[in-house]
Amino acid sequence: NAGVMQNPRHLVRRRGQEARLRCSPMKGHSHVYWYRQLPEEGLKFMVYLQKENIIDESGMPKERFSAEFPKEGPSILRIQQVVRGDSAAYFCASSPWAGGTDTQYFGPGTRLTVL
Amino acid sequence: GQQLNQSPQSMFIQEGEDVSMNCTSSSIFNTWLWYKQEPGEGPVLLIALYKAGELTSNGRLTAQFGITRKDSFLNISASIPSDVGIYFCAGQTTGNQFYFGTGTSLTVIP
Repeated sequence: NAGVMQNPRHLVRRRGQEARLRCSPMKGHSHVYWYRQLPEEGLKFMVYLQKENIIDESGMPKERFSAEFPKEGPSILRIQQVVRGDSAAYFCASSPWAGGTDTQYFGPGTRLTVL
Repeated sequence: GQQLNQSPQSMFIQEGEDVSMNCTSSSIFNTWLWYKQEPGEGPVLLIALYKAGELTSNGRLTAQFGITRKDSFLNISASIPSDVGIYFCAGQTTGNQFYFGTGTSLTVIP
C-alpha cells in the first residue's frame, strides 16, 4: 500500500511565477491536509479538504493561495505570483476518517525555493 | 490556530539514556499521535493513541494518552544514535482537525 505521495519533491520558481504542488493521498483516504514548515520550525496548518470540499482553510493566506481536492486526481496546492517569503517545505497529510478517532499520514514534502 | 505545549524544546543525551517528553493542551482530544521527523523528510508516525489512559509501545518507544484527554507523553528507552530527530505530538479534535506541538529536538551523543 503506497503511502502519501507528493510531487515535485523540489521546486524552484522565480518571483511572480506560479507554483503547483501535488498530493496523492493513501489509498482509501478521502481527507487531505496541507501544512507549511519553515526551517527549524514546527508544522503550520494551512487547509483541510475532503473530496470536492474545503472543510477548513483558516490557515491559508487569503490572497495568492488556493487548494483543491477534485473527485478524481490529486489534491493541488497552488501559489500564484510567488514571493521569496513563500520559500518553505510544504507537507501534505491524508487520513481515512469516518467519524470518531483518526490518524494522519504524511508525505515526503515539496521544498519550494523562490529566487 | 491552537498549538500544543510540548516540552522540552530540545534534549542532549548520552547514548543509552532514557528520554521523556510530553504535550499538554487546554482542550480535550479524541486521538493523540506522536511523529518523528528527520532532516529533509516528512513526519513519520510512531504511535497512535485512541483512548484515555491507553498505554502503547512500539519497540523502545512507549506513549500514553492522559486520563484527562488533555495530555500525552512519549518515552524512549535506551536511546541510540538513530533516535536523533525532531519529535512532534499531535491531537485530533471531534471536528477532525489536528493540532501540533512545537517539537522536541533530540540529540544523542555516542
